[in-house]
Amino acid sequence: AQKITQTQPGMFVQEKEAVTLDCTYDTSDQSYGLFWYKQPSSGEMIFLIYQGSYDEQNATEGRYSLNFQKARKSANLVISASQLGDSAMYFCAMREVLIIRRAGGTSYGKLTFGQGTILTVHP
Amino acid sequence: DVKVTQSSRYLVKRTGEKVFLECVQDMDHENMFWYRQDPGLGLRLIYFSYDVKMKEKGDIPEGYSVSREKKERFSLILESASTNQTSMYLCASSPTVSSTDTQYFGPGTRLTVL
Repeated sequence: AQKITQTQPGMFVQEKEAVTLDCTYDTSDQSYGLFWYKQPSSGEMIFLIYQGSYDEQNATEGRYSLNFQKARKSANLVISASQLGDSAMYFCAMREVLIIRRAGGTSYGKLTFGQGTILTVHP
Repeated sequence: DVKVTQSSRYLVKRTGEKVFLECVQDMDHENMFWYRQDPGLGLRLIYFSYDVKMKEKGDIPEGYSVSREKKERFSLILESASTNQTSMYLCASSPTVSSTDTQYFGPGTRLTVL
């Protein structure tokens, strides 16, 4: 079974500083996807960044980058130049690639989420 | 833009009531999901559907059922609500096949069962 672990219940960072949110995972699959989501106090989940298990380069999306260390099974999120609007809950998630085959097509598997990290950005 | 909507943001029900949570997506996605979110536990998958009238149990299906009569709509049903089903419920959808597909989430329904 897949498992995602986020060991930091809460993190604090000064505005304009960089912060790293930790995520480790456990899977026996060779092919998988890793995602980070942001959940502000409004409640909706916002997709931030994706890393495929076979991607050789770390993913980047604007101020977000993913420090992917496959051998250590870690996929840490790095937020550069923190802003007050970055204050939110952050979730790491893994998507299994085991697919359900059905007539006429295929579908991909579910996401497994970590417990989340609450990030607070101080002015 | 993908839009996933949920019928209510806040809902208060009594123990034993039958509760319907509705989710609608407007992007013709084949996959739809229902999660519940609890502090310290992250999101846990209740049920998912990969086609109309098709459903699969997730990690915590007990006490829940689902219905997908139309592609755009996925309903979560609590047959007899209990206090331990007080939680935030999130619906999500995604297109099929692509290995990089993310899931697109609705705004969530915060359900309180008294």
